Amino acid sequence: ETGVTQTPRHLVMGMTNKKSLKCEQHLGHNAMYWYKQSAKKPLELMFVYSLEERVENNSVPSRFSPECPNSSHLFLHLHTLQPEDSALYLCASSRIDRGLEGYTFGSGTRLTVV
Amino acid sequence: GNSVTQMEGPVTLSEEAFLTINCTYTATGYPSLFWYVQYPGEGLQLLLKATKADDKGSNKGFEATYRKETTSFHLEKGSVQVSDSAVYFCALVSEGGSEKLVFGKGTKLTVNP
Repeated sequence: ETGVTQTPRHLVMGMTNKKSLKCEQHLGHNAMYWYKQSAKKPLELMFVYSLEERVENNSVPSRFSPECPNSSHLFLHLHTLQPEDSALYLCASSRIDRGLEGYTFGSGTRLTVV
Repeated sequence: GNSVTQMEGPVTLSEEAFLTINCTYTATGYPSLFWYVQYPGEGLQLLLKATKADDKGSNKGFEATYRKETTSFHLEKGSVQVSDSAVYFCALVSEGGSEKLVFGKGTKLTVNP
């Protein structure tokens, strides 16, 4: 257990479904991140939230919609996904003023779009 | 901008072999350097780090030394075990730590008994 909890661990959804991924941390961190990890591709940073404000959106399609209601929780809302969106989605958190400590990652949600 | 280059994998070794995974970086000033490990089916875990030149990070028998002159942070272990099979990521954060982590592409290690 790293201190960053992601649910669900596995998700299978159809292309017309709507689902949400959840990330929770109680480490006192104030920045949170969504990463996409696809087979044989580098880690892709999707979104960055700093002090609950979105500060980065790396050209992610609008079918992915993040939400950060408070510094402990981060969501990724999914709708009308494509099969190529199947991947491991990783959440991470950090302290903005302690960047030298690195990030703490959750175990990820393995998403399969059918 | 900042970048990290890791050796291409996959790397396959026999148990008790010596491991080196090369990592070089491009950054201004004195970034902090990290190695993360990802075991099968899991997220990334911080393995070790170094925050200034000539620092040596170590954990679980792994070591890496921050070499400013060669802009490198190579990961080494003297005797690998089957349980070390994982993907290893080199990463950096800019001096001061105010910017986001930059990751290398990862190197998959398989250790056979």
